Amino acid sequence: SYELTQPPSVSVSPGQTARISCSGDGLSNKYVYWYQQKSGQAPVLVIYEDTKRPSGIPERFSGSSSGTVATLTISGAQMDDDSEYYCYSTDSTGQGVFGGGTKVTVL
Amino acid sequence: EVLLLESGGGLVKPGGSLRLSCAASGFTFNIHYMLWVRQAPGKGLEWISSISHGGGNIDVADSVKGRFTISRDNVKKSVFLQMNSLRAEDTAVYYCAREALGAPDLYPDHWGQGTLVTVSS
Repeated sequence: SYELTQPPSVSVSPGQTARISCSGDGLSNKYVYWYQQKSGQAPVLVIYEDTKRPSGIPERFSGSSSGTVATLTISGAQMDDDSEYYCYSTDSTGQGVFGGGTKVTVL
Repeated sequence: EVLLLESGGGLVKPGGSLRLSCAASGFTFNIHYMLWVRQAPGKGLEWISSISHGGGNIDVADSVKGRFTISRDNVKKSVFLQMNSLRAEDTAVYYCAREALGAPDLYPDHWGQGTLVTVSS
């Protein structure tokens, strides 16, 4: 089955830059989407189609993709960014696949 | 404003059944694919099943194939998940989500708040 691999955790100091990777064999020809999930809440889309930001999402969130690795970057991290982040893509049949999630700790 | 409100969760014994509902509002329901995603306690997100705008195209994850059935009622602007032969490992928060329109991929762009299903004797 298709898998997306994320680091379990990333730590960042307030105002610094956090980078979260998402790797998968098929990502070179697939888009990646990123979701933020705060504790006890539903996920929220923060990046779609590798690099696009939905309306209302702060500019400090950006996405990139190269080969089989996609990256979510939080520039100038804030305490409010302390959350779990999931990447998402689709497999060869079109079914959705989530990465295992990355806990971003801002401290 | 896009709103998705799940209901129907609760405590059920192993082998039992449950039907989840998701009521949608704030958008044109009958042109969007819809899907269900679940999250076991302390675990990550798992894609479960999706249904096309007309209901004619359904996709189901292998982990629930043959036990879970997705359906929709475009008049009532609702999507459903019938869950049979439930197992302890089905214990999770179940989220209803809307799939983005006109995108190169199907991906969820709005989510409900979820409903908790607990399978335990």
